[in-house]
Amino acid sequence: GAVVSQHPSWVICKSGTSVKIECRSLDFQATTMFWYRQFPKQSLMLMATSNEGSKATYEQGVEKDKFLINHASLTLSTLTVTSAHPEDSSFYICSASHAGGYEQYFGPGTRLTVT
Amino acid sequence: QKEVEQDPGPLSVPEGAIVSLNCTYSNSAFQYFMWYRQYSRKGPELLMYTYSSGNKEDGRFTAQVDKSSKYISLFIRDSQPSDSATYLCAMSGAAGNKLTFGGGTRVLVKP
Repeated sequence: GAVVSQHPSWVICKSGTSVKIECRSLDFQATTMFWYRQFPKQSLMLMATSNEGSKATYEQGVEKDKFLINHASLTLSTLTVTSAHPEDSSFYICSASHAGGYEQYFGPGTRLTVT
Repeated sequence: QKEVEQDPGPLSVPEGAIVSLNCTYSNSAFQYFMWYRQYSRKGPELLMYTYSSGNKEDGRFTAQVDKSSKYISLFIRDSQPSDSATYLCAMSGAAGNKLTFGGGTRVLVKP
């Protein structure tokens, strides 16, 4: 149980365009979802925390107007990278947890390449 | 100084050897300690979870937490080539709170 999916698994977009990444909890209700970014050979860096029905809480240094997060239901959160630039190219991973749970269940990640 | 320090490796061991991994941290508020395994281009998967100080064993994996020293360890016995991956320690101050990750240690188990 506790499966999290992400779509797409990889995406290539042109500089200046926007791209949306979906994160779904398939068999549980995710009251909290987290979005991470991971550069090659580096660890996961938390971008934001979102609770269903509330505005996301962004980590220091993350532009909330550039990385739009929506957590409209207990099974779906989306991350939209607006006006993407090559430096936004990275591996984006989401995780989800249920109410009171200590464990974060991670998705398989989405590789974004901006040309 | 990072909140969580982890040797990046790579750590290369022969098959069957014991793999020893560790992390140090500076935030005394951390109470939940986890170890994740991440294969290349995949999301992390939870291996071990420990609350507060103590030891925990699960199959070939043993996790140890020493809060007085702010030091945690993961041991993998009878290592297999399939254990080759990056191992990330993570910790938080409360259940459900955001995790702070170490930088990860790349492990290579040679047949």
